[in-house]
Amino acid sequence: KQEVTQIPAALSVPEGENLVLNCSFTDSAIYNLQWFRQDPGKGLTSLLLIQSSQREQTSGRLNASLDKSSGRSTLYIAASQPGDSATYLCAVRKYSSASKIIFGSGTRLSIRP
Amino acid sequence: EAQVTQNPRYLITVTGKKLTVTCSQNMNHEYMSWYRQDPGLGLRQIYYSMNVEVTDKGDVPEGYKVSRKEKRNFPLILESPSPNQTSLYFCASSTNINPNTEAFFGQGTRLTVV
Repeated sequence: KQEVTQIPAALSVPEGENLVLNCSFTDSAIYNLQWFRQDPGKGLTSLLLIQSSQREQTSGRLNASLDKSSGRSTLYIAASQPGDSATYLCAVRKYSSASKIIFGSGTRLSIRP
Repeated sequence: EAQVTQNPRYLITVTGKKLTVTCSQNMNHEYMSWYRQDPGLGLRQIYYSMNVEVTDKGDVPEGYKVSRKEKRNFPLILESPSPNQTSLYFCASSTNINPNTEAFFGQGTRLTVV
């Protein structure tokens, strides 16, 4: 059974720090891994998609890496800002069942001014 | 602009009163799916559709129905809503031709059943 785990569940850091969010998955046979941002009670905003053949993707202050062999992905946020406060979710789509996107439980990030 | 549109965004209803949450995408995607998000349980798949007239159950289909008569629309139907269906619902779409591409999500529908 594919499981996606995100640790820590919550993180609070002062503004300006660089930080790393972690995502691990049990089955390495995935098409891709996608990072999302969710503001409280709001929708899912796609941040980055890493295809299985890729090692990393970058968008602005965000950098996501993928290591399929170890079943890990990280989301690096540079120079954090209070506006980055949100819950960050990672999700995978696996070969054996492309019909389901499997989500981790998320990391709730709080950036202190 | 590529998007998935859900309506309504917020809904309060009473137990047993049938309701439909609509979902529409403008990207000609074959795959569409519904998820519900609950505290402590994360996002769970309700139903999915791989193409027109092709639907199948996800992990938590009880109490829900779907239909896929057109490629762009995938409504979620609650024939007799109950309080345990109070949740935040998301519709998603992506292409089947290349599952390696991005999945798009709607803005969510907050449903409260009293």
